[in-house]
Amino acid sequence: DTGVSQDPRHKITKRGQNVTFRCDPISEHNRLYWYRQTLGQGPEFLTYFQNEAQLEKSRLLSDRFSAERPKGSFSTLEIQRTEQGDSAMYLCASSLGLGRQETQYFGPGTRLLVL
Amino acid sequence: EDKVVQSPLSLVVHEGDTVTLNCSYEVTNFRSLLWYKQEKKAPTFLFMLTSSGIEKKSGRLSSILDKKELFSILNITATQTGDSAVYLCAVVSGAGSYQLTFGKGTKLSVIP
Repeated sequence: DTGVSQDPRHKITKRGQNVTFRCDPISEHNRLYWYRQTLGQGPEFLTYFQNEAQLEKSRLLSDRFSAERPKGSFSTLEIQRTEQGDSAMYLCASSLGLGRQETQYFGPGTRLLVL
Repeated sequence: EDKVVQSPLSLVVHEGDTVTLNCSYEVTNFRSLLWYKQEKKAPTFLFMLTSSGIEKKSGRLSSILDKKELFSILNITATQTGDSAVYLCAVVSGAGSYQLTFGKGTKLSVIP
């Protein structure tokens, strides 16, 4: 399967714990995006990378959230001191990165439940 | 603030019916509009629309964009139970941004 992959698919944690999610984009895709989706809502943008550079961050991305893409390939999203309000599906997407009008392809998501 | 509104929020139809899903938007510097289908997992890409009046088609699905009136429609003809899903509309806007702004989606249920 050469699509976007995410790990883990599900995560249950206790409030206050730190969690880290991984995303592997489609090979040769230069742009990588993180979104968060809660029940009954469309995905909300969190942040985006062009290669290893983090170029855009949403105001939704509080200082407890940090994302990295150290070698311009896979990316990690870490949430520190999790809160119950962080419970959501975290989606990763990637696109080629060659133009201004591009399709973003999504991974299966990591479903986080904070108890 | 950019806004994408989809209607209806949910819809129940019988197999074989034709449905029209609506998406309106208010954004600055519109660049493109995308439709995705989500079945309890990752959104899967359907269409990207950038120009008014050009219909995109894929099998029983088609979509068109009206940049003057700021809306798009997604049509599904001869619906099947496999079409049951949430259909998401998203817009890319802004001079240097690549983020997608999504609507809440339309939940389509097709019953036999």
